[in-house]
Amino acid sequence: NSKVIQTPRYLVKGQGQKAKMRCIPEKGHPVVFWYQQNKNNEFKFLINFQNQEVLQQIDMTEKRFSAECPSNSPCSLEIQSSEAGDSALYLCASSPGTGGYEQYFGPGTRLTVL
Amino acid sequence: GDSVTQTEGLVTLTEGLPVMLNCTYQTIYSNPFLFWYVQHLNESPRLLLKSFTDNKRTEHQGFHATLHKSSSSFHLQKSSAQLSDSALYYCALNNYAQGLTFGLGTRVSVFP
Repeated sequence: NSKVIQTPRYLVKGQGQKAKMRCIPEKGHPVVFWYQQNKNNEFKFLINFQNQEVLQQIDMTEKRFSAECPSNSPCSLEIQSSEAGDSALYLCASSPGTGGYEQYFGPGTRLTVL
Repeated sequence: GDSVTQTEGLVTLTEGLPVMLNCTYQTIYSNPFLFWYVQHLNESPRLLLKSFTDNKRTEHQGFHATLHKSSSSFHLQKSSAQLSDSALYYCALNNYAQGLTFGLGTRVSVFP
């Protein structure tokens, strides 16, 4: 069973508001991923980190999202100005390494933007 | 960019019958990692199978898949479906430091 912790489990925001969610990766996993799963259950990779450094991020994440994984603190993903289309399940996953390692997913934060 | 195409939509079958979900992929990298993840209702995805070795069968929990680089395929099979296999199944790939590229998912419903 995954030991990735995500908070909060549910988040409701108005359009234009900031939305922030947190993730504690499994102990010993230096690589953290954020994914968005929409209402059609489709996944979109957002950003990943190895320790505190960004490995890869998509354009959307660069523009409206900010994310960080500080040492000795939870990782976080924040939407600067929420839009209705951001309503989705945000999944954090951690992994022992890059490449062919299994990613262990947390329970997710379900964001609803009204 | 990378892409994954899998059996679309809903697959319904009777318990005890075989199941096969197709997965093909496109990537510029010669050594991709291929995965099958399963997501049960109200749960997060968990790994079912993975492979990066060409033509080698990998098995777990009664499911098996073989990566065929010649046809860019990684089909998932099980000889006898169980009621507990009802779930969403995702084929996915990545290359080294990248995030996973998922297919659109296949919902499997197994009936008695």
